[in-house]
Amino acid sequence: AQKITQTQPGMFVQEKEAVTLDCTYDTSDPSYGLFWYKQPSSGEMIFLIYQGSYDQQNATEGRYSLNFQKARKSANLVISASQLGDSAMYFCAMRPSMNRDDKIIFGKGTRLHILP
Amino acid sequence: EAGVTQFPSHSVIEKGQTVTLRCDPISGHDNLYWYRRVMGKEIKFLLHFVKESKQDESGMPNNRFLAERTGGTYSTLKVQPAELEDSGVYFCASSQVSSTSPQYFGPGTRLTVL
Repeated sequence: AQKITQTQPGMFVQEKEAVTLDCTYDTSDPSYGLFWYKQPSSGEMIFLIYQGSYDQQNATEGRYSLNFQKARKSANLVISASQLGDSAMYFCAMRPSMNRDDKIIFGKGTRLHILP
Repeated sequence: EAGVTQFPSHSVIEKGQTVTLRCDPISGHDNLYWYRRVMGKEIKFLLHFVKESKQDESGMPNNRFLAERTGGTYSTLKVQPAELEDSGVYFCASSQVSSTSPQYFGPGTRLTVL
């Protein structure tokens, strides 16, 4: 079954520390895409980072990096030097097929609280 | 460049009434998706348009939901008649066709059915 699992419903982290948000996925398709989205309290869904299943290197975008371990089917998000503005809900998501236009599947999310 | 916009941001209606949600995708994005998040659950796919054609509507919960995208620009999602379980946040997303670019989401419409 195609599924995204986020095992951390909530996390509290001290400002300036690094944060790792866990995500595991399940798909039988050899070609897929993995995404992380951030949803602050205002409600909008903000795209953070993308990793393709055939990408050789881990994706990075500024303070965000995706720790992609294909054999373990994990795609953890790492936020370096956390800031108060990082407090939000974070969703891991997957496009579980070779079709780049296909729908994406979301995990339940992790609520991250950055403490001053 | 303007992002995906949705209207209204909030809607409170009574059971049995009709509500129409609107989504304006990013200009040039032929893919348009509707998703829904019911309280405490995952964001779930509803349907996918490519231009004005419905590509996949496998996530539509029942025939009380009707989505349209006339002219391949903005889309509407009508719920008629609304039921209590339809409450949630309805997200619209858009993307370029056959691209590795992500789906860009709108701010969502929070629907409350009383």
